[in-house]
Amino acid sequence: DSGVTQTPKHLITATGQRVTLRCSPRSGDLSVYWYQQSLDQGLQFLIQYYNGEERAKGNILERFSAQQFPDLHSELNLSSLELGDSALYFCASSRGLAGSSYNEQFFGPGTRLTVL
Amino acid sequence: AQTVTQSQPEMSVQEAETVTLSCTYDTSESDYYLFWYKQPPSRQMILVIRQEAYKQQNATENRFSVNFQKAAKSFSLKISDSQLGDAAMYFCAYRTSYGGSQGNLIFGKGTKLSVKP
Repeated sequence: DSGVTQTPKHLITATGQRVTLRCSPRSGDLSVYWYQQSLDQGLQFLIQYYNGEERAKGNILERFSAQQFPDLHSELNLSSLELGDSALYFCASSRGLAGSSYNEQFFGPGTRLTVL
Repeated sequence: AQTVTQSQPEMSVQEAETVTLSCTYDTSESDYYLFWYKQPPSRQMILVIRQEAYKQQNATENRFSVNFQKAAKSFSLKISDSQLGDAAMYFCAYRTSYGGSQGNLIFGKGTKLSVKP
């Protein structure tokens, strides 16, 4: 158990819908990262938050957004869902930013999203 | 931009034997971190081993060791005495070490390792 929790574990929805994925980082971790794992794109970085502020963006679609709340949990919002959005979405957390030692990222179990 | 390449989509090894998974990367940075992650059928991402670029000594974690060749930008993973539980997808990953910058991981496409009894 990494200490990172993600809910829900599975999500099945229809095209055009909107969903929210939730992540609670390990106690004391300030950084939260969201990754998408799909068959065709592999593991891709979406977005990073640090202590409530957006820190970096990767290959995140405009239909997707995220935020980190004062209690440091994070939510990833996916809207106008398409079939191609079906993927495993991981959240990872770390103590700080890049540069501080290994700053190891601990991954949650992921949320499996299926868009029908 | 940094890239990570794993040229072996699938590998197979006999139980108790040794296998080496390859990874190459491209970067213009001089300091960075490299990682190998294991993803078993449960889909959980598990950190196997990590290497700091400025350390010449290759990292070792029990049966797992790396061969880090900085000049060649190569970072291979050796699994000794392979066990059935080693069967999984293995991802090589890169992360910058510069403070204040984005700290996301850049992953390769992965290598699926099968272990034969």
